[in-house]
Amino acid sequence: NAGVTQTPKFHILKIGQSMTLQCTQDMNHNYMYWYRQDPGMGLKLIYYSVGAGITDKGEVPNGYNVSRSTTEDFPLRLELAAPSQTSVYFCASAENYGYTFGSGTRLTVV
Amino acid sequence: KQEVTQIPAALSVPEGENLVLNCSFTDSAIYNLQWFRQDPGKGLTSLLLIQSSQREQTSGRLNASLDKSSGRSTLYIAASQPGDSATYLCAVSPLTGTASKLTFGTGTRLQVTL
Repeated sequence: NAGVTQTPKFHILKIGQSMTLQCTQDMNHNYMYWYRQDPGMGLKLIYYSVGAGITDKGEVPNGYNVSRSTTEDFPLRLELAAPSQTSVYFCASAENYGYTFGSGTRLTVV
Repeated sequence: KQEVTQIPAALSVPEGENLVLNCSFTDSAIYNLQWFRQDPGKGLTSLLLIQSSQREQTSGRLNASLDKSSGRSTLYIAASQPGDSATYLCAVSPLTGTASKLTFGTGTRLQVTL
């Protein structure tokens, strides 16, 4: 049982470049989330989805985009990367408040 | 806007000691509160979930309490072990809107020494 799988685990991106962080879950959960965690800080919600085809902004959505074409996949797109987007990104899925988190993607923008 | 604070930010205790981690939140209109554990380089693992109507939850050596009216929760760890070393985060779900959107605290980094 894989749970929530995030790829890549690490990535270095140049300023102005774009990339997609992948997230896949195999538990058939309707709810999926993207959080970012900066050093010494709690997790902040970027985007979330309550089901395939439905997404909405969280607390810090600027500079990001998401899509949810299937129940399993919830990719996060960074356009025109900036140093402020250096962070650890966590994807999570949930059903009835039972959360499963991925192991994270550590992204550095230089 | 909901604000969640955890004190202390870091804690070091000798093995075998009982300890308490604190979590406070500014808006008492919550649906539930959860405690998570985060190990370095890994994701979060849910430890305990307390519904807003409950006062406490227990799992093994862990006991979480909730006082919604005062905006406080505590996580009690009995007979601490080196394997308990991790960062502990609390998170609250709002009563209105999308109930599953969590607001996290900044965490308490716990080290249990031999």
